[in-house]
Amino acid sequence: AQSVTQLDSQVPVFEEAPVELRCNYSSSVSVYLFWYVQYPNQGLQLLLKYLSGSTLVESINGFEAEFNKSQTSFHLRKPSVHISDTAEYFCAVSGRGYNKLIFGAGTRLAVHP
Amino acid sequence: GAGVSQSPSNKVTEKGKDVELRCDPISGHTALYWYRQSLGQGLEFLIYFQGNSAPDKSGLPSDRFSAERTGGSVSTLTIQRTQQEDSAVYLCASSLTQSSYEQYFGPGTRLTVT
Repeated sequence: AQSVTQLDSQVPVFEEAPVELRCNYSSSVSVYLFWYVQYPNQGLQLLLKYLSGSTLVESINGFEAEFNKSQTSFHLRKPSVHISDTAEYFCAVSGRGYNKLIFGAGTRLAVHP
Repeated sequence: GAGVSQSPSNKVTEKGKDVELRCDPISGHTALYWYRQSLGQGLEFLIYFQGNSAPDKSGLPSDRFSAERTGGSVSTLTIQRTQQEDSAVYLCASSLTQSSYEQYFGPGTRLTVT
């Protein structure tokens, strides 16, 4: 069975400050890991993914996440956030032969001026 | 190209009525998924289609829920005898193949059962 734990339900941060959203997973098979973002009143958008290869993956808008197998983590980071990053962020796991996504409970990132 | 579309965007129904929710996946995507997003339960998997077959229905919460997919494209999620606990946002996603783990989501249908 697979599960995802997002350790923070809400993260308030000031604009231009760094942020880390934490995600830990549990899986009995090789994992594929994802971060999705949901802006207010919008659908889920894929932010970044780890399928294989380099353990550090990046998005086009400055977020990055690192797959850490020993710590079963896939934390999301951004060195300097903007007001427009205010959204809910979901970590999700899938795996070889396991098509569905298992989501964490989500972390609401609130960026303040 | 066009993304995943869902209709209606909002649906208000009375308890006990049946509802149908529609999903149009990205053209050419063979895998289709339904999820439900609610305040109490977060994002939950409901059912997965590969082509017109549903090899994984494990997330359907009760026998009041059913889904079908025709022509390897459009899918309909039907909820019979709706209950207030069915109120949620129902999300559809598609991926190119069953081995393409990247899923693209539609905007969702917000269902409110009064």
